[in-house]
Amino acid sequence: AQKVTQAQTEISVVEKEDVTLDCVYETRDTTYYLFWYKQPPSGELVFLIRRNSFDEQNEISGRYSWNFQKSTSSFNFTITASQVVDSAVYFCALTGGGNTPLVFGKGTRLSVIA
Amino acid sequence: GAVVSQHPSWVICKSGTSVKIECRSLDFQATTMFWYRQFPKQSLMLMATSNEGSKATYEQGVEKDKFLINHASLTLSTLTVTSAHPEDSSFYICSAQGADSGANVLTFGAGSRLTVL
Repeated sequence: AQKVTQAQTEISVVEKEDVTLDCVYETRDTTYYLFWYKQPPSGELVFLIRRNSFDEQNEISGRYSWNFQKSTSSFNFTITASQVVDSAVYFCALTGGGNTPLVFGKGTRLSVIA
Repeated sequence: GAVVSQHPSWVICKSGTSVKIECRSLDFQATTMFWYRQFPKQSLMLMATSNEGSKATYEQGVEKDKFLINHASLTLSTLTVTSAHPEDSSFYICSAQGADSGANVLTFGAGSRLTVL
């Protein structure tokens, strides 16, 4: 069975601080895909990144960066110089590909205080 | 890019009535759609997998007679909450997977917030 663990339930930081959201996953699939989504108060899921299991290269997109480590089954997400607009719930998710659904972690609620 | 439209965004209904939520893929054909439910301050939990032209596959604990799913075309799946009760109040989100499943493209709708009085 697939499982995603986001151990941090809530994080609060002051604006301009860096923050890392942890994600640990479990799967028996050799091919799988990892995702991060942002969910603002409106509820809509905002896609941030998808990474497949064969691509361990870290990725940077503006203030966002992701560290994928297969050896520790982790896919952590860092926001550099956080801003108030980053306040949201962030979900890490996993799927085996094909016609399989996403399995979500419990989410981490990030509050960035001005 | 792939767009999924979900309607209505908000719905308030009386206990005992039925509510239908639509999920449409606007610019691609969705062979598979997934329905999720999210209670306040909780994660998204998969309710069912809907494949075009066949019966939906429900997750354990989800009542198929209460949550009717129809996926009659490659662009539309509907979720009907029958005889709704206050405990059915939740945020319902659909996601659609395109026919090019090799790319594993999953697109989410904006969600439907159901409040049952």
